Amino acid sequence: QKEVEQDPGPLSVPEGAIVSLNCTYSNSAFQYFMWYRQYSRKGPELLMYTYSSGNKEDGRFTAQVDKSSKYISLFIRDSQPSDSATYLCAMRSPNEKLTFGTGTRLTIIP
Amino acid sequence: GAVVSQHPSWVICKSGTSVKIECRSLDFQATTMFWYRQFPKQSLMLMATSNEGSKATYEQGVEKDKFLINHASLTLSTLTVTSAHPEDSSFYICSAKGLVSYEQYFGPGTRLTVT
Repeated sequence: QKEVEQDPGPLSVPEGAIVSLNCTYSNSAFQYFMWYRQYSRKGPELLMYTYSSGNKEDGRFTAQVDKSSKYISLFIRDSQPSDSATYLCAMRSPNEKLTFGTGTRLTIIP
Repeated sequence: GAVVSQHPSWVICKSGTSVKIECRSLDFQATTMFWYRQFPKQSLMLMATSNEGSKATYEQGVEKDKFLINHASLTLSTLTVTSAHPEDSSFYICSAKGLVSYEQYFGPGTRLTVT
């Protein structure tokens, strides 16, 4: 069993829709929970991070963590074609190592 | 925000040769640098962690004699793929972290193709 599970998609939604991306994890030692966006042939860029259960909002993005269920989500409101990318969840261990999900390829259709 | 660069962005080499990839933190001192490998449609897999002035720590299954990592200064780390083979063809990405920051800043990646 992988430490981090993420549906690879692909996921296609119309412009303006709400997007929901999810990951589950099995390692209780993970402390920080991140979402990265990666465009093709580029390095990942950090979108959101959280370290406690609950919601965190930043503009059109909301990150949600449920530690009891070992489940994290990223919601994108009013999705735009420029949001089309691969979204990776990542978990940070106490030794600072990041464990990534496989990534979900998202396409926003104009 | 903090900027990390990688050079080259794309390299093609012949089987059996060695290739060096550079990772630089441009506007901060990187006490720790990480090297990842990403195969097509797969996630980033951590290869090794290096602290400035120390030997790198390799993840299980990563050959330290094949992937040589040097972190000689607070702004530069290098990954040398020795005796490269076609199966080493991949997207190599570095990240860098400062002493007081939790965040890793990622470079743009280097695409290696071994023919």
